[in-house]
Amino acid sequence: KAGVTQTPRYLIKTRGQQVTLSCSPISGHRSVSWYQQTPGQGLQFLFEYFSETQRNKGNFPGRFSGRQFSNSRSEMNVSTLELGDSALYLCASSLVSGRDEKLFFGSGTQLSVL
Amino acid sequence: GIQVEQSPPDLILQEGANSTLRCNFSDSVNNLQWFHQNPWGQLINLFYIPSGTKQNGRLSATTVATERYSLLYISSSQTTDSGVYFCAVESWETSGSRLTFGEGTQLTVNP
Repeated sequence: KAGVTQTPRYLIKTRGQQVTLSCSPISGHRSVSWYQQTPGQGLQFLFEYFSETQRNKGNFPGRFSGRQFSNSRSEMNVSTLELGDSALYLCASSLVSGRDEKLFFGSGTQLSVL
Repeated sequence: GIQVEQSPPDLILQEGANSTLRCNFSDSVNNLQWFHQNPWGQLINLFYIPSGTKQNGRLSATTVATERYSLLYISSSQTTDSGVYFCAVESWETSGSRLTFGEGTQLTVNP
């Protein structure tokens, strides 16, 4: 069974641009979560989608948004990029959305904002 | 929100040594997971362990939920065990899936 797939692996953008990251969950998994990892703030929760609905949202500005498609694939979008958005963005999937679910992570997208 | 503290922040071992990593959390949890982040950035799920004890090869984990801590044991360490180990929890108040991560323990195993 294929794991969580994130594309692209690396991305370089300039301030003010927007970016879209993609995540394909493990086959059969319906919940997709996104996390941001930076050296200063560590791993922080962005949002979670389940059955095309956002179930949870972290403390990030409205420039960060996401969506989930009917096949459970998810995208996250960051508009008006800032230097501080440079980070490793990790996607995780689980079978359903719940408290006792084991998360499986992808390899991440390394975003650099110049 | 719930707070997660991991110790030690850094650990350097010789190959073959044993180690214990600790995770303290500030509130009752219904989900606790240990992850290993490899040099390429991927988080590998080691254990889902909101309570009790589990073992997987040279690794084992114990969570004492009533005392709000979890321990990860690594025995006979190998150089491939190097990387960052994260503890992540979810409190009873959370609906859906939303993990809070600790700051991690950076483990270096020297040959």
